[in-house]
Amino acid sequence: AQSVTQLDSQVPVFEEAPVELRCNYSSSVSVYLFWYVQYPNQGLQLLLKYLSGSTLVKGINGFEAEFNKSQTSFHLRKPSVHISDTAEYFCAVSARNTGFQKLVFGTGTRLLVSP
Amino acid sequence: EPEVTQTPSHQVTQMGQEVILRCVPISNHLYFYWYRQILGQKVEFLVSFYNNEISEKSEIFDDQFSVERPDGSNFTLKIRSTKLEDSAMYFCASIQGAHQPQHFGDGTRLSIL
Repeated sequence: AQSVTQLDSQVPVFEEAPVELRCNYSSSVSVYLFWYVQYPNQGLQLLLKYLSGSTLVKGINGFEAEFNKSQTSFHLRKPSVHISDTAEYFCAVSARNTGFQKLVFGTGTRLLVSP
Repeated sequence: EPEVTQTPSHQVTQMGQEVILRCVPISNHLYFYWYRQILGQKVEFLVSFYNNEISEKSEIFDDQFSVERPDGSNFTLKIRSTKLEDSAMYFCASIQGAHQPQHFGDGTRLSIL
């Protein structure tokens, strides 16, 4: 079974400042890793994914994340945030085995960007 | 870009009534999922569906729940006799093939009175 921990329930940051949203996972098998963003009253939009290859993955809206197998982490970063980045961010994992496995989500981190 | 669409966006139902939530996955996608998110909580897996049968289901997905792909485009979640605790946002997702990320719809907010 897999589990995901997002330690920060809320991260306040000023516009144009850098941000890091933390994600740690636990799994007995190899996993795929994802970050999804949820804007108010909307669905889940894929920000980025790690399936294989380079451990540094780039996504939409200037976000990137680094897979660290030894620390079982997949932290999300952005060098300079905008007001429009205010949203809930979910880290998720799925087991690699068949490629169709369910997503297991963390509890989410609310990013609050203020002017 | 093709999208997963869900209807209705908001459903209000009396406790004990049956409700059907509808999803139209992306047209060439083969694997389908339902998740739910109770207000203020994390997104939880309910069920996955492939080739007209359930692949996996969670403990939440009890006998009150069922899924169906009645035609080539729709994927539905039925709750037979709704309870107050079924109030949540329900998300449909689909993937085209193995090892691909899931694409989500905007969800249906289900409110049980």
